[in-house]
Amino acid sequence: NAGVTQTPKFRILKIGQSMTLQCTQDMNHNYMYWYRQDPGMGLKLIYYSVGAGITDKGEVPNGYNVSRSTTEDFPLRLELAAPSQTSVYFCASSYTADTQYFGPGTRLTVL
Amino acid sequence: EDQVTQSPEALRLQEGESSSLNCSYTVSGLRGLFWYRQDPGKGPEFLFTLYSAGEEKEKERLKATLTKKESFLHITAPKPEDSATYLCAVRYTGGYQKVTFGTGTKLQVIP
Repeated sequence: NAGVTQTPKFRILKIGQSMTLQCTQDMNHNYMYWYRQDPGMGLKLIYYSVGAGITDKGEVPNGYNVSRSTTEDFPLRLELAAPSQTSVYFCASSYTADTQYFGPGTRLTVL
Repeated sequence: EDQVTQSPEALRLQEGESSSLNCSYTVSGLRGLFWYRQDPGKGPEFLFTLYSAGEEKEKERLKATLTKKESFLHITAPKPEDSATYLCAVRYTGGYQKVTFGTGTKLQVIP
């Protein structure tokens, strides 16, 4: 099993550009999550999904969108990138909404 | 306000010098407390889940304990490979995904 995979690993965007961060898991988990991690701050939940077709906002959803058309994939869309979105983004999945398995992260810089 | 606080922020130990990391929480309706290890440039890796006061879990040199207000991660005779940031997270009632992460303790074990 590959677990949770994320692409790309690194990306530099200009202000106002858009992009999609990809996340795929091969563990047949129903729950999937997107977090951002800023230096000195805890992981902050952006969006989560409890199954295909079901998504909901987390703590910091502004400026982001998600979709969940399959169990395996949970892409995160950034529209009109802003410097405040410079961060490391982690995708995670879980079977029981308890133990979460994290991907390797995407380091995004917005200039 | 629901909070998860980890201390110390950083800890430097000599190899073999045992110590403990603390995670205190002020949430209502604890559903689970989680410990993760995070290496630089990587995603968090699950270590333990604790559900009720008095519960303990062990893995190699690590032992996690839980009381009604806090959790400890005890590290016995640490080795340099135990160097990492240790994250605590709490799941509590109030919604499907009310999970709050602490900011972590950065542990460095010197040979």
